[in-house]
Amino acid sequence: GAVVSQHPSRVICKSGTSVKIECRSLDFQATTMFWYRQFPKQSLMLMATSNEGSKATYEQGVEKDKFLINHASLTLSTLTVTSAHPEDSSFYICSAEDRGELRNTEAFFGQGTRLTVV
Amino acid sequence: QKEVEQDPGPLSVPEGAIVSLNCTYSNSAFQYFMWYRQYSRKGPELLMYTYSSGNKEDGRFTAQVDKSSKYISLFIRDSQPSDSATYLCAMSAYGQNFVFGPGTRLSVLP
Repeated sequence: GAVVSQHPSRVICKSGTSVKIECRSLDFQATTMFWYRQFPKQSLMLMATSNEGSKATYEQGVEKDKFLINHASLTLSTLTVTSAHPEDSSFYICSAEDRGELRNTEAFFGQGTRLTVV
Repeated sequence: QKEVEQDPGPLSVPEGAIVSLNCTYSNSAFQYFMWYRQYSRKGPELLMYTYSSGNKEDGRFTAQVDKSSKYISLFIRDSQPSDSATYLCAMSAYGQNFVFGPGTRLSVLP
């Protein structure tokens, strides 16, 4: 299957600082990328959907000013957690799809980023 | 009622057993179905992808979709300790985002 690379895999930051997480599709053009948050032993919670070159669509309850998403190219999306607080500590996962002419193709996931805010 | 329901487990089976993992859903518009495997602290890995009803087999894995009952299953034959993970079902309607089940934790005991 296609490869999605997410970086970093683990980050520890101080409260009040910002953290950027990158998600890259390595062998296909990701017209649509998704950012999820996952709490321990729980399923994926969709935070936002982004299409290349346009603003992200955030799910209800997700603060767009806190979780900045940029999908500047067909192979790269970034999630920036601004002014991080301990409650932002979580596992963040991106996924990418090439929706192109084929809707509902498989979604391929990155390896995830474990964020710990101290 | 949640849009997608899945028994959270944990499910423990002996090595070599046949495992049945199931999801039910309420949205009759769903027609794309996927199963993911997620190891601890890793991103989900796509196992099976099916469109509409029917069966699909890939090695030890078989995915079944019964749209009339709004029920999907993943069968694992000859289960191995390396199959121990959380299994997530996901589904969507045409052009819509995928909705995930809560995941079932599986332990295959040697």
